[in-house]
Amino acid sequence: DAKTTQPTSMDCAEGRAANLPCNHSTISGNEYVYWYRQIHSQGPQYIIHGLKNNETNEMASLIITEDRKSSTLILPHATLRDTAVYYCIVRVAAAGNKLTFGGGTRVLVKP
Amino acid sequence: DSGVTQTPKHLITATGQRVTLRCSPRSGDLSVYWYQQSLDQGLQFLIHYYNGEERAKGNILERFSAQQFPDLHSELNLSSLELGDSALYFCASSVDIGLYLTDTQYFGPGTRLTVL
Repeated sequence: DAKTTQPTSMDCAEGRAANLPCNHSTISGNEYVYWYRQIHSQGPQYIIHGLKNNETNEMASLIITEDRKSSTLILPHATLRDTAVYYCIVRVAAAGNKLTFGGGTRVLVKP
Repeated sequence: DSGVTQTPKHLITATGQRVTLRCSPRSGDLSVYWYQQSLDQGLQFLIHYYNGEERAKGNILERFSAQQFPDLHSELNLSSLELGDSALYFCASSVDIGLYLTDTQYFGPGTRLTVL
């Protein structure tokens, strides 16, 4: 699986957009970018995933650069409940579909 | 609520003991995955079952074993417990019909195991 690099932590103001970067410079052509988050020892929660096109759902938007070497997760209007550790993961189909979690980004949304 | 259930929520036991953690996947999901989250190791993949058969193993100790039953629920058995086995144990499930890259895993709330 391709390795990802994320900032260790970041703060965000409530009501503002939170932009979470992820570098995955060794990503392969058939690997998807997935984002999960974990709120205080709860089970990881799926947010969004994409291959090369930008994606949007009710939780977030995912922007993937044209060369696919990096991506940004955007939480459009951060709330206090978005405080969590956010994990950027790329997946290899041949690896039994496991998820390989790195350290993630600890996001603190402040009032 | 992801639809994945895990029992028990908390488990406290002593070293050398054996415990069983249970996971019920989302309705219709054929795959179950187990992950361990400890303070020093982060979230790590343990094992994957698909429709009753073991498909992949990760960093799972020989003292640990799992199985998936015909009704698709899964159990993770931990034996000869050591202090270092204290962790959160999560299961996840996915539909997993074929090798679709977009197959998404949904996680349960976890079982917190404390070994004293």
